[in-house]
Amino acid sequence: GESVGLHLPTLSVQEGDNSIINCAYSNSASDYFIWYKQESGKGPQFIIDIRSNMDKRQGQRVTVLLNKTVKHLSLQIAATQPGDSAVYFCAENSGANSKLTFGKGITLSVRP
Amino acid sequence: KAGVTQTPRYLIKTRGQQVTLSCSPISGHRSVSWYQQTPGQGLQFLFEYFSETQRNKGNFPGRFSGRQFSNSRSEMNVSTLELGDSALYLCASSLEGIRETQYFGPGTRLLVL
Repeated sequence: GESVGLHLPTLSVQEGDNSIINCAYSNSASDYFIWYKQESGKGPQFIIDIRSNMDKRQGQRVTVLLNKTVKHLSLQIAATQPGDSAVYFCAENSGANSKLTFGKGITLSVRP
Repeated sequence: KAGVTQTPRYLIKTRGQQVTLSCSPISGHRSVSWYQQTPGQGLQFLFEYFSETQRNKGNFPGRFSGRQFSNSRSEMNVSTLELGDSALYLCASSLEGIRETQYFGPGTRLLVL
């Protein structure tokens, strides 16, 4: 895998700060959402998922928030580390027999 | 446990040719999905196979096809290649489908000249 694109929006944060990456999804019928991380030269890596019957889910250093009213998804990364530098994608799905739709991606850059 | 493997890693073809890419999922995984990644369009879902049957399909022309074998290994084929087919093609596997943790391979970089 390789890094995604040349014109993705970039979020720059200081090491140790918390990061918030936002995503607006389009399909009101979507009920399953995922965040992926893609480092340069690698394929995407699953971070965390959430189903529409929840509005918050926590993992190790990460939290996903879902606001179905405004069709918004966010990923919070606590105590951001240099190893968190990557492109982050959100993805949505509306059923087992429907496709997975990805957002364009956001580049997270961590300043030492 | 070995991860998802894809072959070849890099490929150069000319317009009009066809290409076959291969994906070996994680042992025990029965779902294999394919994705196209380009700078302009980002990550786009091509199709998903489960137990040798195509279960989901994205919005790609019929030139893009795939199949899955009884051992869950999968291939995708692109016929009559166009310049716009130049992309990173990613394969991902999971136990049962796309609504759970998928593990991605490193991808095959296809360049069409």
